[in-house]
Amino acid sequence: KAGVTQTPRYLIKTRGQQVTLSCSPISGHRSVSWYQQTPGQGLQFLFEYFSETQRNKGNFPGRFSGRQFSNSRSEMNVSTLELGDSALYLCASSWGTGLNEKLFFGSGTQLSVL
Amino acid sequence: GENVEQHPSTLSVQEGDSAVIKCTYSDSASNYFPWYKQELGKRPQLIIDIRSNVGEKKDQRIAVTLNKTAKHFSLHITETQPEDSAVYFCAAPAYSTLTFGKGTMLLVSP
Repeated sequence: KAGVTQTPRYLIKTRGQQVTLSCSPISGHRSVSWYQQTPGQGLQFLFEYFSETQRNKGNFPGRFSGRQFSNSRSEMNVSTLELGDSALYLCASSWGTGLNEKLFFGSGTQLSVL
Repeated sequence: GENVEQHPSTLSVQEGDSAVIKCTYSDSASNYFPWYKQELGKRPQLIIDIRSNVGEKKDQRIAVTLNKTAKHFSLHITETQPEDSAVYFCAAPAYSTLTFGKGTMLLVSP
């Protein structure tokens, strides 16, 4: 069974640009969550999608958005990039809510904003 | 305050020693407490979890204890080995999202 796949693995952008990251969950998983990881701040929750609906959203500005497709693949978009958006973006999939079950993480997309 | 607080932020031990990492949470409705291990340059992976209906769970050299009254849970690693060196994250459901602690960097010296 293939694991969670994130593309691209690395991205370099400049301030003001926008970026789209992709996440393909494990087959059969309906929930995809996104996290931002920065040194010293741990994993900060961005949002969760379940069956194409955003179920929860973390405390991030509206520049961060996402969506989920009918095949459960998910994308997140960051518009008007800022230097502080440089981070590792991880997605995780699970069968159900993700609140009380194992999360399977992808390898992440390392975003650098110059 | 933080929904999930994790201590210490770094922990250095000698091979063979025990290591303990503690987390506290604020949402009294939380009922699931996982621990993830992230090796350098790799993805986080679940190593053990506990549900609120038990107080302790063991899996070989690792164990997790839960004190619901005090709202804290701890990861215990015995007979540490160099391959245990990694960042460990605790997590707990907090107001409909799974909230992670800020992580503990464990370094096991041979």
